[in-house]
Amino acid sequence: KQEVTQIPAALSVPEGENLVLNCSFTDSAIYNLQWFRQDPGKGLTSLLLIQSSQREQTSGRLNASLDKSSGRSTLYIAASQPGDSATYLCAVNRSWGKLQFGAGTQVVVTP
Amino acid sequence: GAVVSQHPSWVICKSGTSVKIECRSLDFQATTMFWYRQFPKQSLMLMATSNEGSKATYEQGVEKDKFLINHASLTLSTLTVTSAHPEDSSFYICSAQDSGAEKLFFGSGTQLSVL
Repeated sequence: KQEVTQIPAALSVPEGENLVLNCSFTDSAIYNLQWFRQDPGKGLTSLLLIQSSQREQTSGRLNASLDKSSGRSTLYIAASQPGDSATYLCAVNRSWGKLQFGAGTQVVVTP
Repeated sequence: GAVVSQHPSWVICKSGTSVKIECRSLDFQATTMFWYRQFPKQSLMLMATSNEGSKATYEQGVEKDKFLINHASLTLSTLTVTSAHPEDSSFYICSAQDSGAEKLFFGSGTQLSVL
């Protein structure tokens, strides 16, 4: 059974620092892995999607890596801003469209 | 980008009543939509897969008679929580995948509170 774990559960950093969010999964048989941002009481915003054959994806200040063999993905956010405060979720696509989510990392970036 | 509209965004109801939540793909067709539930401080959990024109597929432990799913068209799926009870209070969110696309697009979610 696939299990997705995110560490840390919460993170508070001053503005300008880089953020490192970790995600691990137990079953390497995945189609892809996706990182989302969730704001309180709102839906999900897709940040990055990494196919199982890829090692990383980048978008602006965001970079996500994937090591399928070890069951790990890391999301890096460079030069954090207060607007980056949110909960970040990773999710593995275990079969077409069915995502298994981690519990999330709650990030607070203080001015 | 693709947009998925979900409403209502929040609903408060009395115990024993039924609540319907709608999920629409606005600018693409979605043969399959997914319904998730999130309790406070917990992960989003897949409840069911909604297939246009056929019965929904429910995940283990989800009561199909309680959570009725109807996927009447390629752009609309509904989730009805029947005879809601306080333990059904949760954040419900849908997702849809455009044909040929890899990303899933999520609705904005519905916060259900059952009194």
